Amino acid sequence: DTGVSQNPRHKITKRGQNVTFRCDPISEHNRLYWYRQTLGQGPEFLTYFQNEAQLEKSRLLSDRFSAERPKGSFSTLEIQRTEQGDSAMYLCASSLFRSRENEAFFGQGTRLTVV
Amino acid sequence: AQSVTQLDSHVSVSEGTPVLLRCNYSSSYSPSLFWYVQHPNKGLQLLLKYTSAATLVKGINGFEAEFKKSETSFHLTKPSAHMSDAAEYFCVVSDREDQAGTALIFGKGTTLSVSS
Repeated sequence: DTGVSQNPRHKITKRGQNVTFRCDPISEHNRLYWYRQTLGQGPEFLTYFQNEAQLEKSRLLSDRFSAERPKGSFSTLEIQRTEQGDSAMYLCASSLFRSRENEAFFGQGTRLTVV
Repeated sequence: AQSVTQLDSHVSVSEGTPVLLRCNYSSSYSPSLFWYVQHPNKGLQLLLKYTSAATLVKGINGFEAEFKKSETSFHLTKPSAHMSDAAEYFCVVSDREDQAGTALIFGKGTTLSVSS
């Protein structure tokens, strides 16, 4: 499969625990995005990378959240000391950014439930 | 700053009738505009995109959208709805001229229901 892959698909964790999600983008894509989607809402931007550089972070990304893309390929999103409000679908997308073009392809997401 | 407003949270149509999902955008620069569809338990799929060429954009599954700069709108239409069109639709804006790049900004979504 050459699409965007996210693991795990589902994660249930107890409040206060740390969780880490992984995203494998389409191989030639230089941009990688993380979004969060709660029920009945559109995806909300969290952060994005161009190659290994993290270029932008949303105000939604609190100090408990950290994302990395160490070699410009896969990315991880870690949430420390999870809270019930962190329960959401976490979406990853990738794109090949060129001037005037920025079509993003999305993975199927990781659904996080904090109990 | 960019933003997107989807004017209807829910649209209901009968099979075979036209579909209109409305979207207005705000952008400081020349925008790229997209419509994505999300079926239950499936990932987001790109329907169509506008990036500066023709203002009338054709997408997959018979959908099309027209970019109207004077009205800051990018409404999605389809002449004849099919039951399989029932899904959540998102209008998305991106800043095309900002080389440093900004993210795709999503609207809150419109749920399309199609009845037989």
